[in-house]
Amino acid sequence: NAGVTQTPKFRVLKTGQSMTLLCAQDMNHEYMYWYRQDPGMGLRLIHYSVGEGTTAKGEVPDGYNVSRLKKQNFLLGLESAAPSQTSVYFCASSYLGATTGNTIYFGEGSWLTVV
Amino acid sequence: RKEVEQDPGPFNVPEGATVAFNCTYSNSASQSFFWYRQDCRKEPKLLMSVYSSGNEDGRFTAQLNRASQYISLLIRDSKLSDSATYLCVVIMNYGGSQGNLIFGKGTKLSVKP
Repeated sequence: NAGVTQTPKFRVLKTGQSMTLLCAQDMNHEYMYWYRQDPGMGLRLIHYSVGEGTTAKGEVPDGYNVSRLKKQNFLLGLESAAPSQTSVYFCASSYLGATTGNTIYFGEGSWLTVV
Repeated sequence: RKEVEQDPGPFNVPEGATVAFNCTYSNSASQSFFWYRQDCRKEPKLLMSVYSSGNEDGRFTAQLNRASQYISLLIRDSKLSDSATYLCVVIMNYGGSQGNLIFGKGTKLSVKP
């Protein structure tokens, strides 16, 4: 039972390069999320999706794009990476939206460094 | 004022000690509350939900005080394996739209032999 899987786990990018982070879940969850975590900042929501074909902006969406073409996959794209996007990125999924008793499952994280 | 605030710690305690963390939230419309645990360089994992009447899970007790807008986590008989960062998580619903999880920055606990 894989749960939530993120790839790649580590990546170093040069400023201006583009890349895509892939999140896959095998739990048939409707909701998927992308967070970033920076030292002293806590987890911040970048984008989220409430179902296949839908996406919405979170707290810090600038510089990122997302797509949810298949229910099990949620892609996070950086079109032109900047050093400020150096961070740890966590994908998460849940069956329902954020409610009591509904567990949010996280992937293991993707460490991204932009130089 | 930050939406969810926690004392960052670190809390350094000996094995067997009892330790308590508080978390305050600013939005009285907050609906649901959780404690997550995050180990170093790992993903957050749900520790426990926090219910209005308070709830207990083994050595862990969570309390909610809506009037004062804070939640607490009490850990009894601390173990070395309890060393981690504890994240307070609050769900706020805005007029029926998708609820948003708001994470605190976390409180670091270090349990020493």
